[in-house]
Amino acid sequence: QSALTQPPSVSGSPGQSVTISCTGTSSDFGSYNRVSWYQQPPGTAPKLIIYEVSNRPSGVPDRFSGSKSGNTASLTISGLQAEDEADYYCTSYTSISVVFGGGTKLTVL
Amino acid sequence: EVQLVESGGGLVQPGGSLRLSCAASGFTFSSYDMHWVRQATGKGLEWVSAIGNAGDKYYSDSVKGRFTISRENAKNSLYLQMNSLRAGDTAVYYCAREGSGTDAFDIWGQGTMVTVSS
Repeated sequence: QSALTQPPSVSGSPGQSVTISCTGTSSDFGSYNRVSWYQQPPGTAPKLIIYEVSNRPSGVPDRFSGSKSGNTASLTISGLQAEDEADYYCTSYTSISVVFGGGTKLTVL
Repeated sequence: EVQLVESGGGLVQPGGSLRLSCAASGFTFSSYDMHWVRQATGKGLEWVSAIGNAGDKYYSDSVKGRFTISRENAKNSLYLQMNSLRAGDTAVYYCAREGSGTDAFDIWGQGTMVTVSS
């Protein structure tokens, strides 16, 4: 149950786009699209922003998008805003467990 | 309002036990799979355990044999019995709902702090 691999940090200026990668093994991702992404501002509980690779829950801006290619999933945030500054985590379901990425701190410059 | 509220955290000595509770409201609790996720201070999220709506249970390797997840649908409640606690179990513990058909945690509680220290 090793963690998925994410970059520790990314940064961007307001209005720019950033992409956060999430790399696992074939056993982490399997052949299913069971990848989700969470946003966690400091001192708060995580919030679901992407599920099943690329679906957004109601209320999540379309600036947030997800994709997956092979064993790497990606979260792209376009039109960066100051409020996007937070930690971001990917997850994937295996047959008997859930594995999280190590988290990526997004800094809006 | 859909809500999860954890309770039961606190300070416990190594080797001790603690039982966490998660009270659900605003949705049909019995229909959903539920999870516990923890986060040590300054660290990332770690999945701990899950229980399906049919009662099937799953655990991470780090807690298997020490923690027991359970649910009481009549009380809209989720529990985590934690035994043989270690310093490494110190964390904020969140309960989370798995969204129907999403394989994702769509609702989270605010978390309850567990500190294992002598």
